[in-house]
Amino acid sequence: AQSVAQPEDQVNVAEGNPLTVKCTYSVSGNPYLFWYVQYPNRGLQFLLKYITGDNLVKGSYGFEAEFNKSQTSFHLKKPSALVSDSALYFCAVRDPGYSSASKIIFGSGTRLSIRP
Amino acid sequence: NAGVTQTPKFQVLKTGQSMTLQCAQDMNHNSMYWYRQDPGMGLRLIYYSASEGTTDKGEVPNGYNVSRLNKREFSLRLESAAPSQTSVYFCASSEGPGQGADGKLFFGSGTQLSVL
Repeated sequence: AQSVAQPEDQVNVAEGNPLTVKCTYSVSGNPYLFWYVQYPNRGLQFLLKYITGDNLVKGSYGFEAEFNKSQTSFHLKKPSALVSDSALYFCAVRDPGYSSASKIIFGSGTRLSIRP
Repeated sequence: NAGVTQTPKFQVLKTGQSMTLQCAQDMNHNSMYWYRQDPGMGLRLIYYSASEGTTDKGEVPNGYNVSRLNKREFSLRLESAAPSQTSVYFCASSEGPGQGADGKLFFGSGTQLSVL
């Protein structure tokens, strides 16, 4: 069965410092991986995805994520954090072996707080 | 471009009351979904509709029903609300059959439901 874990409920970073939000996954095949961001009182917004190819994926708002197959991880990164990056971040995984729409799993979310 | 629109934004029900959450998308997407978001549990899929005329159960369907009214609209009904259904509900849509070619989801802004 596929699963995704976000081991940190909250990450605190000073503005201007690099940030990392961790995600690990478990699927039977090669995964499709996603990051979404949720701002207060809003729905989730797509940030980036990994399907195949280059292990470093670039997305919206200067975020990037690194796919590491041996460690089954897909950590979200940004070189220099902004206060406006403060939000709730979700990692999600889909096992492409399933054609059913139900087979995308979300992590429990990590709250990112950037202090000025 | 409105994207995915959900109504209402807030609702308070008494135990046993019924209500319908409405969702409409204007992106000509084939697939639509209903998720619930609870603290520390990420998003859990309630029901989905891979294409117009079809609906299927997700991870937590008990106590809910859905109707895919047409390609644009997908409603979620609580027949007899229970306190355990207190949650934030999100509608989402995607291209193509299933969750699209890659699973990228577009979310509405959510409905905050309290059942007393």
